[in-house]
Amino acid sequence: AQTVTQSQPEMSVQEAETVTLSCTYDTSENNYYLFWYKQPPSRQMILVIRQEAYKQQNATENRFSVNFQKAAKSFSLKISDSQLGDTAMYFCAFSTPYSGAGSYQLTFGKGTKLSVIP
Amino acid sequence: DSGVTQTPKHLITATGQRVTLRCSPRSGDLSVYWYQQSLDQGLQFLIQYYNGEERAKGNILERFSAQQFPDLHSELNLSSLELGDSALYFCASSGQGTQYFGPGTRLLVL
Repeated sequence: AQTVTQSQPEMSVQEAETVTLSCTYDTSENNYYLFWYKQPPSRQMILVIRQEAYKQQNATENRFSVNFQKAAKSFSLKISDSQLGDTAMYFCAFSTPYSGAGSYQLTFGKGTKLSVIP
Repeated sequence: DSGVTQTPKHLITATGQRVTLRCSPRSGDLSVYWYQQSLDQGLQFLIQYYNGEERAKGNILERFSAQQFPDLHSELNLSSLELGDSALYFCASSGQGTQYFGPGTRLLVL
């Protein structure tokens, strides 16, 4: 079974600064996807970034980038130039296309609550 | 806006009752996933349907069931409700391995 661990329950960062959220996972699969989802106070789950395990290049989306270390099974999220709107719960998630007849079901970590301070 | 819709947004009911949550996937997506988010269990996968057929099951209770209709919308039925079923229920639809979530239905069982 796959597991996802987020070791930082809460973090804070000053506006305009950079912050890194950590995530580790455990799997015996070789092909899989990793995601970061954001859940603001509205409770909506918003996709932040996606990484395919077969790609060595780290994914980036504007101010968001990841550091994907496959051998170490580590997948951290870096947020640059933090904005007040980044205040949210951030969930790391894992899926593999080979788990059960083409199901991409997500396994989530417990989340990191990020507060951006003005 | 993810393109995934869920109704209702809020639901308040009593123990022992039955409710139905509805989800419409993004245009073109054939898969619908249901998740439960509670304070003690976190985000948990419940069940997946693909083009009308059950594809995968997670930690779904026997009191819960789901189906996907020919127009691809899905319904999650929760029966004999208990206080512990109070949670936020999400559906998500997937395209090319990425899941996009609806706004959720907040269920409160009193």
